[in-house]
Amino acid sequence: NAGVTQTPKFQVLKTGQSMTLQCAQDMNHNSMYWYRQDPGMGLRLIYYSASEGTTDKGEVPNGYNVSRLNKREFSLRLESAAPSQTSVYFCASSEAGLGYRYFGPGTRLLVL
Amino acid sequence: EDQVTQSPEALRLQEGESSSLNCSYTVSGLRGLFWYRQDPGKGPEFLFTLYSAGEEKEKERLKATLTKKESFLHITAPKPEDSATYLCAVQAWNNAGNMLTFGGGTRLMVKP
Repeated sequence: NAGVTQTPKFQVLKTGQSMTLQCAQDMNHNSMYWYRQDPGMGLRLIYYSASEGTTDKGEVPNGYNVSRLNKREFSLRLESAAPSQTSVYFCASSEAGLGYRYFGPGTRLLVL
Repeated sequence: EDQVTQSPEALRLQEGESSSLNCSYTVSGLRGLFWYRQDPGKGPEFLFTLYSAGEEKEKERLKATLTKKESFLHITAPKPEDSATYLCAVQAWNNAGNMLTFGGGTRLMVKP
């Protein structure tokens, strides 16, 4: 099992450009999440999907959109990137109702 | 609002020198407290879940304990391979979407 996979691993964008971060899991989990990690801020939840067909906002959703494509895949889209979105983005999944997460390897995003 | 504070921010130990990491939390009804290990450039890896005060969990040189206000991660006779950032997170009963609140982490460095 690959667990949680993310693409790309690293990306550089110019302000105003758009991009989609891809995430897939092969553990048959119902719930999937997108976090960002910034120095001194800890991991913060951007959006989550409790089950296929549903998505909800987390702590810091502004400037992002998500799509739960199917049970395996959950994508994060930046429509118009800003320097404040420079961060490391992690996708995670879990069994419904369980607290612990399985995290992907992360995508490092730099917005110039 | 749920809050998690980890201390110290960084900890340097000699190989074999035991110590403890602290995670203080405030939450309206603790559903679970989680410890993760994060290696540089990688996603967090789940270590333990604690559910109630007095509970303890062990894995190799690591032992996690829980009180009503804080959790400790005790590291006994650490080795250089224990060097990583250790993250603590809490989940409350009353939050939607199975959300976790993360602390800022403790960066542990073990010198041979």
